[in-house]
Amino acid sequence: GEDVEQSLFLSVREGDSSVINCTYTDSSSTYLYWYKQEPGAGLQLLTYIFSNMDMKQDQRLTVLLNKKDKHLSLRIADTQTGDSAIYFCAEPLGSDYKLSFGAGTTVTVRA
Amino acid sequence: DAGVIQSPRHEVTEMGQEVTLRCKPISGHDYLFWYRQTMMRGLELLIYFNNNVPIDDSGMPEDRFSAKMPNASFSTLKIQPSEPRDSAVYFCASSRNESPTQYFGPGTRLTVL
Repeated sequence: GEDVEQSLFLSVREGDSSVINCTYTDSSSTYLYWYKQEPGAGLQLLTYIFSNMDMKQDQRLTVLLNKKDKHLSLRIADTQTGDSAIYFCAEPLGSDYKLSFGAGTTVTVRA
Repeated sequence: DAGVIQSPRHEVTEMGQEVTLRCKPISGHDYLFWYRQTMMRGLELLIYFNNNVPIDDSGMPEDRFSAKMPNASFSTLKIQPSEPRDSAVYFCASSRNESPTQYFGPGTRLTVL
């Protein structure tokens, strides 16, 4: 496809792990991004991964990259209520520094 | 650094009025992007600048929309005349030449009545 694709909704119990999946389009993308948007706020860069890496871990966040399948995932361990937000996957469009964003996955954390 | 600054944070106006949204990018950043976010269409790139020069305005919806960047620290997005369907959150973002990582401002929520 031509668009970055994400599932739209994810509901998770507090304390469980969340996994958000994304399919991107360009196998030559050098960076892949996860942004977080809390209600009423702008997009905040959460983490990114270089294309020469398979995994990146940052505290409760784990990013997995499968270049063969052009699949990116974000795992949030021990999900907290403050993790409720919309999560966007993004990739650069060619070499001109535009980013193509997915539609966003709304994560709802329930008690 | 203060991050990307946008003003106003909220704007309510009547159909037909001119609206001007403002953005101050992060100091030293070379790229500036304007996005629009709606429930129906998600996040759309409207236009972006490199070193104050517009590079791609293919996302600008129509001639009612215009954007300028008179210097490295200031950009405006103008809608004239505004219409109810322009109601959205407008984001500004900036990045450096060395990296495509974009940093977003808090957005301007525009309501056109």
